[in-house]
Amino acid sequence: DIQMTQSPSSLSASVGDRVTVTCQASQDVTNRLNWYQHKPGKAPNLLIYDASSLETGVPSRFSGSRSGTHFTFTISSLQPEDIATYYCQQFDYFPYTFGQGTKLEI
Amino acid sequence: QEQLVESGGGLVKPGGSLRLSCAVSGFTFSDYYMSWIRQAPGKGLEWVSYISSSGNTIYYADSVKGRFTISRDNAKNSLYLQMNSLRAEDTAIYYCARASRGIDYWGQGTLVTVSS
Repeated sequence: DIQMTQSPSSLSASVGDRVTVTCQASQDVTNRLNWYQHKPGKAPNLLIYDASSLETGVPSRFSGSRSGTHFTFTISSLQPEDIATYYCQQFDYFPYTFGQGTKLEI
Repeated sequence: QEQLVESGGGLVKPGGSLRLSCAVSGFTFSDYYMSWIRQAPGKGLEWVSYISSSGNTIYYADSVKGRFTISRDNAKNSLYLQMNSLRAEDTAIYYCARASRGIDYWGQGTLVTVSS
């Protein structure tokens, strides 16, 4: 199975800060990597698909990039409503695998 | 607007069975692959199973293989997960999800608790 190593596991930042989360795949998954936002009691929400494409309706402060097997998720200016846990997920191979999650606090 | 609504969760004893359902609306169900994903208490997300649009191609996580069965009824716009031989470690919120561009839409989830 492909391992997705996500870091950090938790992050405390201030409103307006630039926040970065990374995911390292254990092997090549091309660009088949998504980023999700998950708030307690809610359905997870797709933010970034195919490593760097912004899902329709998602604010432009969210972005993603890829360098080989290394993936980066960025919030350019943190807002209070961004408090959530963020996950990466590869969907190039079964079983689909998620990173461990990054809990973001303000 | 895409909607996925899970049902069928509840409390079950170890070794018992449960069948989850997911009712879909807002898109042409028969055109899309579907998945089940779960989240155990205090843990991250774990992909459970996948079924193609026709139902001919199915995959399972090793943790549920041989115990869980995914199926779909395209005429009823519904996805199912039959869970047998349940264990305490199967306790989780189970999400129904559309498997397009990875996973693009999720339901709100249904809680399954396995306990004596």
